[in-house]
Amino acid sequence: SQKIEQNSEALNIQEGKTATLTCNYTNYSPAYLQWYRQDPGRGPVFLLLIRENEKEKRKERLKVTFDTTLKQSLFHITASQPADSATYLCALRSNTGNQFYFGTGTSLTVIP
Amino acid sequence: DAGITQSPRHKVTETGTPVTLRCHQTENHRYMYWYRQDPGHGLRLIHYSYGVKDTDKGEVSDGYSVSRSKTEDFLLTLESATSSQTSVYFCAIREADTEQFFGPGTRLTVL
Repeated sequence: SQKIEQNSEALNIQEGKTATLTCNYTNYSPAYLQWYRQDPGRGPVFLLLIRENEKEKRKERLKVTFDTTLKQSLFHITASQPADSATYLCALRSNTGNQFYFGTGTSLTVIP
Repeated sequence: DAGITQSPRHKVTETGTPVTLRCHQTENHRYMYWYRQDPGHGLRLIHYSYGVKDTDKGEVSDGYSVSRSKTEDFLLTLESATSSQTSVYFCAIREADTEQFFGPGTRLTVL
């Protein structure tokens, strides 16, 4: 069956450190992968998209890598801040349609 | 923020009653999606639309129907609500190969 796993339900890190979140998938051939941020009581907000032929994407303090051999994406937040505390979701778009499949999310807490 | 609204924002209903949730967009995006979000399951796709009157099922479509008679509106209907349909429902819109923009969500409780 198709499955997307995010490394852990909760991650606590010290302010200023780099947070690394993992998204692993099985039985997909994704056209691309996205990362979203979700704050309590709100809808997810798009952060980054990385395509199957791209290895790395950056946006300000965010970096995403994509390894289709390992079937894994890593999401990094450098110089983390308490305002980065949220739940982060990865999502795959299958290359066979317009559906998206989401992981269950990782709750990140940045401790001042 | 993308122009996407959901109504109602909160609803409490009883088992067996019909419920319709509305998603409205002002962006003229082609694709519209309905998801439900539950603890331990994340976001799961219920149905989606790729144009007016064009819809398709997602991974958890049983017990739900949808309609899209206008580009801007996508309705999700629970014909006979059950307690297992208690959830937070999110609508999302998308244009071509871009990100999805999500609405604020509807919290539905079925007693």
